[in-house]
Amino acid sequence: GAVVSQHPSRVICKSGTSVKIECRSLDFQATTMFWYRQFPKKSLMLMATSNEGSKATYEQGVEKDKFLINHASLTLSTLTVTSAHPEDSSFYICSATSGALSGANVLTFGAGSRLTVL
Amino acid sequence: QQPVQSPQAVILREGEDAVINCSSSKALYSVHWYRQKHGEAPIFLMILLKGGEQKGHDKISASFNEKKQQSSLYLTASQLSYSGTYFCGTEETSGSRLTFGEGTQLTVNP
Repeated sequence: GAVVSQHPSRVICKSGTSVKIECRSLDFQATTMFWYRQFPKKSLMLMATSNEGSKATYEQGVEKDKFLINHASLTLSTLTVTSAHPEDSSFYICSATSGALSGANVLTFGAGSRLTVL
Repeated sequence: QQPVQSPQAVILREGEDAVINCSSSKALYSVHWYRQKHGEAPIFLMILLKGGEQKGHDKISASFNEKKQQSSLYLTASQLSYSGTYFCGTEETSGSRLTFGEGTQLTVNP
């Protein structure tokens, strides 16, 4: 089955530094990947849609300059949290469209990255 | 528009049944169901497409009432492994992004 690998699974950084999270589709090509943020016991909130070879589409209220997304190849998308602050601490999850069933997208999720900003 | 899930949480004894509901105020193309265990990635369970279908595998099944814009997930004879948070995701048009509900936390006790 489709596998999405996300790295790192946990990262702790100091306030003001930048952190990069990678999302790779291992056995399929993903022209579109999605980045979510999840707070404890809360839903998956879509941050942005990452399109290979073009600019990401950000959801309302998500700072583009804060959360930089790069989708340089069909198997890799990266999320960089720039100048991280404690309020950026969260669980970040990526997903990729691993197939379609009658026009509906099937998503495969990465295992998530827990970011803690001190 | 975020779909509404109910209940928010449910606690079962092993072997009991549960129903989780997902409703939207908008017309839907599809409803997706995922289960997430603490600290892990959500795992895909099933997709239901408009047309009012039902699906199921093993003891987990789901229905989609297109007219009411509602979907229900049925867990019968629950097992300990069913514990987790269940999310429905809705798609308004074919290929559009998924919007997830707040989740239903299911706990199955021995």
